Amino acid sequence: SQTIHQWPATLVQPVGSPLSLECTVEGTSNPNLYWYRQAAGRGLQLLFYSVGIGQISSEVPQNLSASRPQDRQFILSSKKLLLSDSGFYLCAWDVSRSSSYNSPLHFGNGTRLTVT
Amino acid sequence: AQSVSQHNHHVILSEAASLELGCNYSYGGTVNLFWYVQYPGQHLQLLLKYFSGDPLVKGIKGFEAEFIKSKFSFNLRKPSVQWSDTAEYFCAFSAGDYKLSFGAGTTVTVRA
Repeated sequence: SQTIHQWPATLVQPVGSPLSLECTVEGTSNPNLYWYRQAAGRGLQLLFYSVGIGQISSEVPQNLSASRPQDRQFILSSKKLLLSDSGFYLCAWDVSRSSSYNSPLHFGNGTRLTVT
Repeated sequence: AQSVSQHNHHVILSEAASLELGCNYSYGGTVNLFWYVQYPGQHLQLLLKYFSGDPLVKGIKGFEAEFIKSKFSFNLRKPSVQWSDTAEYFCAFSAGDYKLSFGAGTTVTVRA
């Protein structure tokens, strides 16, 4: 069965510090991978998505970046965190478009990031 | 641009009351529609989805949603809610690609 792991679960970082959130998927190959942010009262916002290794698309401008060094690994990073980066970050995956895009999105447990 | 809107930000109701959450999307073509639920302290879970066929979709935990193409709507319903239905509900859709657009979410609070 497929599983998605996201860590850490919670993180408190000072303004200006770097960030690295990691997400890995098991039990499937060539998934689409996503990073979403859920800010209070603002619902879910798509930050990045990836259809393959090294292929990253950004949905919104920000001081965050994403990388996909391996097929089932997706990393969210920042060189210098801002207060506005606080929020709940969710990694998600679904079946690659090459097979079927009519598949539901599967979410990780999320990372609660607080920038102080 | 594609978008989805949820009409209610916060809904408060008593147990056994009926629930209906509105969801409208803006896209003229074929869409895939979803409702996700996030219970307190838990991750997002798929409640139900519509891809094609019968526009009345049955989901888990007694929820259903009806796709009305002429109204660009996909409202979520439950005839009788329970305290355990307290959660945040997200409507989402994808329009021919693999990216989902989410609504802002509706917080549902069910009072015992």
